[in-house]
Amino acid sequence: GAVVSQHPSWVICKSGTSVKIECRSLDFQATTMFWYRQFPKQSLMLMATSNEGSKATYEQGVEKDKFLINHASLTLSTLTVTSAHPEDSSFYICSANEMNTEAFFGQGTRLTVV
Amino acid sequence: KQEVTQIPAALSVPEGENLVLNCSFTDSAIYNLQWFRQDPGKGLTSLLLIQSSQREQTSGRLNASLDKSSGRSTLYIAASQPGDSATYLCAVSLNQAGTALIFGKGTTLSVSS
Repeated sequence: GAVVSQHPSWVICKSGTSVKIECRSLDFQATTMFWYRQFPKQSLMLMATSNEGSKATYEQGVEKDKFLINHASLTLSTLTVTSAHPEDSSFYICSANEMNTEAFFGQGTRLTVV
Repeated sequence: KQEVTQIPAALSVPEGENLVLNCSFTDSAIYNLQWFRQDPGKGLTSLLLIQSSQREQTSGRLNASLDKSSGRSTLYIAASQPGDSATYLCAVSLNQAGTALIFGKGTTLSVSS
């Protein structure tokens, strides 16, 4: 199947700093990528839809100024958590759909804000 | 609003047993349904994808069925192995291609040797 690569796999940062997470589709082009967040023992929840060459679409309750998304090419989307706080600690994971059908996920990023 | 429910939340079985994981969704207007496996602290591995027009898909010891009209899907695992221990997630996509997924909370499976 298609491969989606996410980096880093884990990161620890100080409160108030920013963290950038990269999501790459390695063997296909993705005009749309999705960013999800998963808190412990909870389901994956969609945060935003990343659209190549245009602004991201955010789900209700997700602050667009805090979670900056850039989708500058057909194979790369980035999520930047700005001014991170301990409550932002979570598992962040991206996905892309090959041929608009099956969804493939990155490895996920475990963010811990201390 | 689409909601996905998975039952049971956790399941422990001895090696060799056949087992069934259940998934239900509230809105039958789905485009497709996917089953994923998630190991602790890891990403998602796609197991099976069922298009809305299909009734089932099989891959090795895994078989997934879909009854769209009743809003149900099952994942059947035959001859379970300790390596099958993981969390299994069911997710549906809304009624068009390339949309985001709505996930259930998952079933955490433990297979003992």
